[in-house]
Amino acid sequence: DQQVKQNSPSLSVQEGRISILNCDYTNSMFDYFLWYKKYPAEGPTFLISISSIKDKNEDGRFTVFLNKSAKHLSLHIVPSQPGDSAVYFCAATNAGKSTFGDGTTLTVKP
Amino acid sequence: DAGITQSPRYKITETGRQVTLMCHQTWSHSYMFWYRQDLGHGLRLIYYSAAADITDKGEVPDGYVVSRSKTENFPLTLESATRSQTSVYFCASRGWEHPNEKLFFGSGTQLSVL
Repeated sequence: DQQVKQNSPSLSVQEGRISILNCDYTNSMFDYFLWYKKYPAEGPTFLISISSIKDKNEDGRFTVFLNKSAKHLSLHIVPSQPGDSAVYFCAATNAGKSTFGDGTTLTVKP
Repeated sequence: DAGITQSPRYKITETGRQVTLMCHQTWSHSYMFWYRQDLGHGLRLIYYSAAADITDKGEVPDGYVVSRSKTENFPLTLESATRSQTSVYFCASRGWEHPNEKLFFGSGTQLSVL
């Protein structure tokens, strides 16, 4: 039973437009949520996070929204740039251990 | 160099062989983790360690053994490799101060079991 789901395996957007990546979770005990970005042949790197007591966190072009009642979070990238093309993993933590989604491959076209 | 390093980057082995993947970090992070990523899937936790000589099972520990005699090293051993263990293995670490702190990942080891 997958506790963290990213239902869209891929997403393609035009440069300058908004990218919206979605993530759903089932475990109410998760208390922190993170997004990681992964380029080919590299390990994931941290992008942005949000505590379960908040509903929004912003860092430059990246904003994460959390809807606890729906057990849903989303990552918005505005404006999208070709260098943002990568795999994005959603992760949820409980007791210090992270559970990851399957990832969404974002392609930003020039 | 500072950071978290994994070795080897690529490994090909045969079914039944013992294989050890190495992980070394220079931050003195308390926590270290091993994840595997199968094609088209997310990362699944194999084992983790809260400190030297303290290890615990993750989601998919069967067929793997870990040890942590020193804070900076966290090797992962496949005692008798099987084809289902073909995967990309990532080591990660974080400090102890904040349980929800971000993880720092190594570059991964791509393991093929023939």
